Amino acid sequence: SYELTQPPSVSVSPGQTARITCSGDALAKKKYGYWYQQKSGQAPVLVIYEDNKRPSGIPERFSGAISGTMATLTISGAQVEDEADYYCYSKDSSENPLFGGGTKLTVL
Amino acid sequence: QVQLVESGGGVVQPGGSLRLSCIASGFTFSNYGMHWVRQAPGKGLEWVAFIRFDGINEYYADSVEGRFTISRDDSTNTLYLQMNSVRAEDTAVYYCAKAPSGGFDYMDVWGRGTTVTVSS
Repeated sequence: SYELTQPPSVSVSPGQTARITCSGDALAKKKYGYWYQQKSGQAPVLVIYEDNKRPSGIPERFSGAISGTMATLTISGAQVEDEADYYCYSKDSSENPLFGGGTKLTVL
Repeated sequence: QVQLVESGGGVVQPGGSLRLSCIASGFTFSNYGMHWVRQAPGKGLEWVAFIRFDGINEYYADSVEGRFTISRDDSTNTLYLQMNSVRAEDTAVYYCAKAPSGGFDYMDVWGRGTTVTVSS
């Protein structure tokens, strides 16, 4: 069964570039990577789909990339309002949805 | 705009049952697949169940297979999750989420969630 591994936390200063990684075999099996942002006490919001596409309303500073077994969410010029938990998503070997463990992004 | 509103959460005893509802608006509900996803206190996201747009296929996480049932009523734009034989580890916020298509796809819009607490 596949797993998606994320670092527990990432910290940057405002204006810096934040990079959050997600690694797992699922990502190398032609299964797309997705990213969700969850601010404290709120529902998750899709910020990246199909590896590198942004839904309408998501700022251009959010981008995604995938290489081999690793997906990366990049926030170029992170803002204080970007502080949140971020979850990567793909599918497991049974084609069931699979989330990474989440990464807490601190911007201060 | 697309809106999903969950309800039906509460406190339930171990071994008991509960039915969650999710009312959808702002899109043609019958054209889209729908998910339930949960989040235990202080933990990450866990996918629970999915139903196709036509209700023909349902998919479940191993942790709930045989205990939970997902269903939909397109006449009222409502998604359901029937939870039976609940356990302490089912305690979580339960979110309904819409897929971007009728098939077994990712989640593009989420509701605000409803809280289920399993406790005696």
